[in-house]
Amino acid sequence: GDSVTQMEGPVTLSEEAFLTINCTYTATGYPSLFWYVQYPGEGLQLLLKATKADDKGSNKGFEATYRKETTSFHLEKGSVQVSDSAVYFCALRGGGATNKLIFGTGTLLAVQP
Amino acid sequence: KAGVTQTPRYLIKTRGQQVTLSCSPISGHRSVSWYQQTPGQGLQFLFEYFSETQRNKGNFPGRFSGRQFSNSRSEMNVSTLELGDSALYLCASSPLAGSQETQYFGPGTRLLVL
Repeated sequence: GDSVTQMEGPVTLSEEAFLTINCTYTATGYPSLFWYVQYPGEGLQLLLKATKADDKGSNKGFEATYRKETTSFHLEKGSVQVSDSAVYFCALRGGGATNKLIFGTGTLLAVQP
Repeated sequence: KAGVTQTPRYLIKTRGQQVTLSCSPISGHRSVSWYQQTPGQGLQFLFEYFSETQRNKGNFPGRFSGRQFSNSRSEMNVSTLELGDSALYLCASSPLAGSQETQYFGPGTRLLVL
């Protein structure tokens, strides 16, 4: 079945450092890919998405490119801030008439001043 | 536009009891999905409703059930609660099912089973 694998955390960075969180997926067909962020005590917020191969999603300085050849959707940011500290989830939605999301295990990012 | 709301936000129950959680989607959204989040299993899909019909169901026992009303509000019910049902239950809504629309999540209901 479909699945998402993302790098284990926690990831600890200093402010203004470069961030990469790896995400790879297994899916049949042509899934849509997402990054969600969860701040402490809150629900999930969509950070960015890509719906077809070679699409680049971007938002708030974060970027991820849908790479079908490597089945990857790595999250990057050039300069992190303390306010970026949160848990980041990679997810996929398969094709067909469903909104079902399959999530990775989440990666905790801690940014230190 | 108001976001997805979930009630109650926190709940404490004892084993064997049952519980009902409520989700009100964003106005105009007809699709509602439910997820369970636990430290051990992560985020797992429970079910998905669209226009009062269950479109998809995750791999959970029959103690977990749900429904959607004509105004798109949704409820999920867990009967005969077990300790392992302690989790954050998240609801998400989107305008349509199976589209490229964004799903918007509510803040969740945190259930503790003692």
